[in-house]
Amino acid sequence: AQSVTQLDSQVPVFEEAPVELRCNYSSSVSVYLFWYVQYPNQGLQLLLKYLSGSTLVESINGFEAEFNKSQTSFHLRKPSVHISDTAEYFCAVRRGPNNNDMRFGAGTRLTVKP
Amino acid sequence: DTGVSQNPRHKITKRGQNVTFRCDPISEHNRLYWYRQTLGQGPEFLTYFQNEAQLEKSRLLSDRFSAERPKGSFSTLEIQRTEQGDSAMYLCAITSRGAQETQYFGPGTRLLVL
Repeated sequence: AQSVTQLDSQVPVFEEAPVELRCNYSSSVSVYLFWYVQYPNQGLQLLLKYLSGSTLVESINGFEAEFNKSQTSFHLRKPSVHISDTAEYFCAVRRGPNNNDMRFGAGTRLTVKP
Repeated sequence: DTGVSQNPRHKITKRGQNVTFRCDPISEHNRLYWYRQTLGQGPEFLTYFQNEAQLEKSRLLSDRFSAERPKGSFSTLEIQRTEQGDSAMYLCAITSRGAQETQYFGPGTRLLVL
């Protein structure tokens, strides 16, 4: 079965600084990869996803993630963060569209300080 | 708007009581999932439905848990004889017919068992 490791449980950064949230996965087959964001007392919102094609995927609010098959990674990056980016970020992996075994990492708490 | 509403948003109950949560998909969908999320962890899969049929159940879903989707639209998750260890956020997610690889989450129901 696949698994997901988010290497940092907490990432504090200052406003306008760049940030990288790391995610590594393990799977013996091709996977779909996702990043979700969770604001306090809310459900998860899809941030971006990799299904196939270009290994670099972007979200509408400036985040991007790159699928690296050789390193089995899907790190999330943003060149300049805002206070409003403070949230919990979850990496998730799923084996194909018809497989319902979706595994989430433990999450990374991003705190953006003024 | 993620296309999913959940009620109630918060529930406080005493140990031993029964509780029921409801998930109402707003947008067009086919599959419906239930997850449990404990503090500091990512969501863990509980069960999923395709239309009315409950097709898979996790080992996390003990005999005290039961989920239904009687008409293939809304779903309920009942926990009988609640225990303090049941305290968690319970999340509902859906996939759309045209994009079964992506799950969209509701805001969740936070349960506290005293």
